[in-house]
Amino acid sequence: DGGITQSPKYLFRKEGQNVTLSCEQNLNHDAMYWYRQDPGQGLRLIYYSQIVNDFQKGDIAEGYSVSREKKESFPLTVTSAQKNPTAFYLCASRGTGMNSPLHFGNGTRLTVT
Amino acid sequence: GQQVMQIPQYQHVQEGEDFTTYCNSSTTLSNIQWYKQRPGGHPVFLIQLVKSGEVKKQKRLTFQFGEAKKNSSLHITATQTTDVGTYFCAAPYGNKLVFGAGTILRVKS
Repeated sequence: DGGITQSPKYLFRKEGQNVTLSCEQNLNHDAMYWYRQDPGQGLRLIYYSQIVNDFQKGDIAEGYSVSREKKESFPLTVTSAQKNPTAFYLCASRGTGMNSPLHFGNGTRLTVT
Repeated sequence: GQQVMQIPQYQHVQEGEDFTTYCNSSTTLSNIQWYKQRPGGHPVFLIQLVKSGEVKKQKRLTFQFGEAKKNSSLHITATQTTDVGTYFCAAPYGNKLVFGAGTILRVKS
């Protein structure tokens, strides 16, 4: 089955540690996205990538970094500079065409204490 | 930045009652998409509206796109417990898809 895999589902870290969230897709999609979800605030865009080896900042990129070395993979690193990292993180991909819908992974719930 | 305003934030209805969520943009949209997120799950694409005044139906769900392409609504007729979740609208701005804050629907049986 084609889809997007995020791992792990739950992640716990101590404050001050960097942590990397995995996102892999086998849909052959060029575009990939990272969103953060907090209660009452919907989905906010962190970073997105339209093609391999290229990515752009979204609306809340501070404290995060990404890489896009392979078409299938778009890992997100939450750095210690992110002031409020505890959240639900969703990865998504989209096929060709600006009107194509997003396909989401199951998400990673990160808790930093 | 770009914003899509969505109301209400939360609605609790009796099973069998209707439900509506609304989205508004200050700018004309090329299209609008709707997603549903079940509790504990991830957003799933429902539908896309492209044309001015467009109306689409999926069983008990009716989606509308305003004549000016600045607003949209999702109406559920005779809600069921399977309808619970958060409903999001989303609109493209350049290469980005901007989401509304979502409307949380709870259904009392």
